[in-house]
Amino acid sequence: QSVLTQPPSVSGAPGQRVTISCTGSSSNIGAGYDVHWYQQLPGTAPKLLIYGNSNRPSGVPDRFSGSKSGTSASLAITGLQAEDEADYYCQSYDSSLRVFGTGTKVTVL
Amino acid sequence: EVQLLESGGGLVQPGGSLRLSCAASGFTFSSYAMSWVRQAPGKGLEWVSAISGSGGSTYYADSVKGRFTISRDNSKNTLYLQMNSLRAEDTAVYYCAKDPRYCSSTSCHGYFQHWGQGTLVTVSS
Repeated sequence: QSVLTQPPSVSGAPGQRVTISCTGSSSNIGAGYDVHWYQQLPGTAPKLLIYGNSNRPSGVPDRFSGSKSGTSASLAITGLQAEDEADYYCQSYDSSLRVFGTGTKVTVL
Repeated sequence: EVQLLESGGGLVQPGGSLRLSCAASGFTFSSYAMSWVRQAPGKGLEWVSAISGSGGSTYYADSVKGRFTISRDNSKNTLYLQMNSLRAEDTAVYYCAKDPRYCSSTSCHGYFQHWGQGTLVTVSS
């Protein structure tokens, strides 16, 4: 049972902007721990998408952006593309242990 | 190029044991913490365990504490996960991940920078 809650699914048409929320509490995100995001394409291992709340590793398109405020964080995908159809997970710390969000499936209509 | 290659998965009976290995290359292995993350079939990601670069500090999820042991051999650039008293709910793909830990003025953080391809563990009679 994850302590970070994400919407089960979000969808959008190609070119649109979608956002995924990651809601935590005062023992994790609200305690000052950074939030990181991962993309998992079907049948593959997860891939780091955003680290340290808003930083993109080299090679990740700038269509992906992250933010954090209070006890929540968000991942935004602008200019949605068919290849963005995947599962997305947030990750942080809670009581000094690493924790993942519940995951969100992004569907490109 | 960072490469992480897991091995050791397979079919095991409930109550049995299994040891997973993760061979690392492309970075200074001893300088980084490492983690195991698992994913049950059709489910989300679950962090399992982490170990510091020196091996002196280990961390476990409550779901595996007392049953799993993480270790590393820095001379062989290899990470291990010894899994004992396995249960059906341990069935999952197990990934190893490079876990660069960093600290701000107020807290320390970790994330999963690189992932292996995963190895499947099935616990069933």
